[in-house]
Amino acid sequence: ILNVEQSPQSLHVQEGDSTNFTCSFPSSNFYALHWYRWETAKSPEALFVMTLNGDEKKKGRISATLNTKEGYSYLYIKGSQPEDSATYLCASRGFEGAQKLVFGQGTRLTINP
Amino acid sequence: SQTIHQWPATLVQPVGSPLSLECTVEGTSNPNLYWYRQAAGRGLQLLFYSVGIGQISSEVPQNLSASRPQDRQFILSSKKLLLSDSGFYLCAWSQGYTEAFFGQGTRLTVV
Repeated sequence: ILNVEQSPQSLHVQEGDSTNFTCSFPSSNFYALHWYRWETAKSPEALFVMTLNGDEKKKGRISATLNTKEGYSYLYIKGSQPEDSATYLCASRGFEGAQKLVFGQGTRLTINP
Repeated sequence: SQTIHQWPATLVQPVGSPLSLECTVEGTSNPNLYWYRQAAGRGLQLLFYSVGIGQISSEVPQNLSASRPQDRQFILSSKKLLLSDSGFYLCAWSQGYTEAFFGQGTRLTVV
């Protein structure tokens, strides 16, 4: 069973502040970890795909880290802007059955101006 | 470039009626195809995935079925809809184990 958990479920952050949230996945069955951003009235879009322990990826003010040994990933947003408001989803592919892409419940981020 | 089409965008169906949602991908071959559902206030639940024509893996026992009659066509069906089938359905594709690309989604309301 590939369970992916995200926390918190929702988050309100003041514009300009930095924030982070967590994704946990089974470390015993890991192939890749994905992060997606899902804006209202749009489709989810991939931010990062990570496979290596200790990997860190960055796109503008958003970055992510990966710990495959303990089974977690963090997503960081530096200097939050209103356009960062979205639901952030992580998804995991297990080593067994890597075709299957299982998502967590998401973290709904709201940036207050 | 690759594109994914999903239709219809919205659908209101009575309880007990059949369902057919269609998804097609262009610009790629032999993609992995996925059907997800987002129930109210929840994340994306994997319903079905397919790695090839006629190959369907079901993740959640339910009132729905999926078929892949062609390489780039994925269909979600039901013979008799239940109220609990209401939700937002998303089709997605990936090339191998890379990132997934999503359709625009279908908002299904069963009344």
